[in-house]
Amino acid sequence: AQSVTQPDIHITVSEGASLELRCNYSYGATPYLFWYVQSPGQGLQLLLKYFSGDTLVQGIKGFEAEFKRSQSSFNLRKPSVHWSDAAEYFCAVEQSSASKIIFGSGTRLSIRP
Amino acid sequence: SQTIHQWPATLVQPVGSPLSLECTVEGTSNPNLYWYRQAAGRGLQLLFYSVGIGQISSEVPQNLSASRPQDRQFILSSKKLLLSDSGFYLCAWSPSGGYEQFFGPGTRLTVL
Repeated sequence: AQSVTQPDIHITVSEGASLELRCNYSYGATPYLFWYVQSPGQGLQLLLKYFSGDTLVQGIKGFEAEFKRSQSSFNLRKPSVHWSDAAEYFCAVEQSSASKIIFGSGTRLSIRP
Repeated sequence: SQTIHQWPATLVQPVGSPLSLECTVEGTSNPNLYWYRQAAGRGLQLLFYSVGIGQISSEVPQNLSASRPQDRQFILSSKKLLLSDSGFYLCAWSPSGGYEQFFGPGTRLTVL
């Protein structure tokens, strides 16, 4: 069965520092992968997605993610974080044979001034 | 462009009262529709999803139910709310046959 693991519950980085949020998935083939962001009290917004092709995908708000099949990972990166990036981030993978996606438990990002 | 609406934005209900949350999507046809619940500080729990009018799949047995009376309308209901029903309810849609989901702004439900 498909699954998604986000090993970091909470990460704090300084404003202007680089960021990497980890995501590992379990899937038998090349999956569809997603990263979403949720600000407090709001819905989820799609940051980026990977379906096929170039393993480095660019998203909105300056985020990017790299699909690494050998490591079953899809880590999210940003070269320089801004205070407005403080939010909850969710990695997700498609669930095959169903019109659903499976979400990780999320990583809360705090920004240190 | 497509938009998704949810209402109400916030709701405070007593235990044992009924519930009706509504979600509508504009700008698309025959979308897949989803209801999620997010408890405080927790991840997303898929409650129901629908691939067409009248077609509802339940993911978690509970005292909630869902209906899809129209193509772009998805309703979450309960006859009698429990304290444990408190949470943040999110509606989402995806294109038919697709996986990418788009979320509404959510409804904050507090059961007292």
